[in-house]
Amino acid sequence: DQQVKQNSPSLSVQEGRISILNCDYTNSMFDYFLWYKKYPAEGPTFLISISSIKDKNEDGRFTVFLNKSAKHLSLHIVPSQPGDSAVYFCAASANQGGSEKLVFGKGTKLTVNP
Amino acid sequence: EPEVTQTPSHQVTQMGQEVILRCVPISNHLYFYWYRQILGQKVEFLVSFYNNEISEKSEIFDDQFSVERPDGSNFTLKIRSTKLEDSAMYFCASSRNGLAAFNEQFFGPGTRLTVL
Repeated sequence: DQQVKQNSPSLSVQEGRISILNCDYTNSMFDYFLWYKKYPAEGPTFLISISSIKDKNEDGRFTVFLNKSAKHLSLHIVPSQPGDSAVYFCAASANQGGSEKLVFGKGTKLTVNP
Repeated sequence: EPEVTQTPSHQVTQMGQEVILRCVPISNHLYFYWYRQILGQKVEFLVSFYNNEISEKSEIFDDQFSVERPDGSNFTLKIRSTKLEDSAMYFCASSRNGLAAFNEQFFGPGTRLTVL
């Protein structure tokens, strides 16, 4: 049951360049999307989120774009820094349905090379 | 900064034994969750808990699993008779509000459960 898909298991970019992490979803009930960042031996840490009524949300170096018609979202990190190296999880929630649970993708391991 | 804490960090048990995983959520949070991540797979929702009762649970959360808030600070996950396939990283999370759009879920560092 892959309602949230992150098709790239890994991504490698140079410091200072843009990192683009992609996520696709299949459940049209999802109306809230989140990105979490995870370092080894730690729990996921919330990064940024977006509601389905918006198509873009920006917070510093991080921007999330949502294309509802394509059921696709992406996280842009500009400029990328070595400290951004981590596993990034896309997650979705069906708030209008009253659901509290987050449905996660499998994650993309980002490596930012100095 | 307040954080969710979990104990133990690593639990090794024999198949068929009971285990209790412990979590201390952030103090002013009202909603509590358990997720798990089997090695190499995605983080999966197990259960959410509010006002001293389960508010939502997944199909994974069968009769072998139970949750409890025994006092004002701890939130526990009990697995009655562990199976090999229960080996995973278990994450506790908490939030002030139940819906993700209003409040993010803060995750603990996880407990690695190994069932032999």
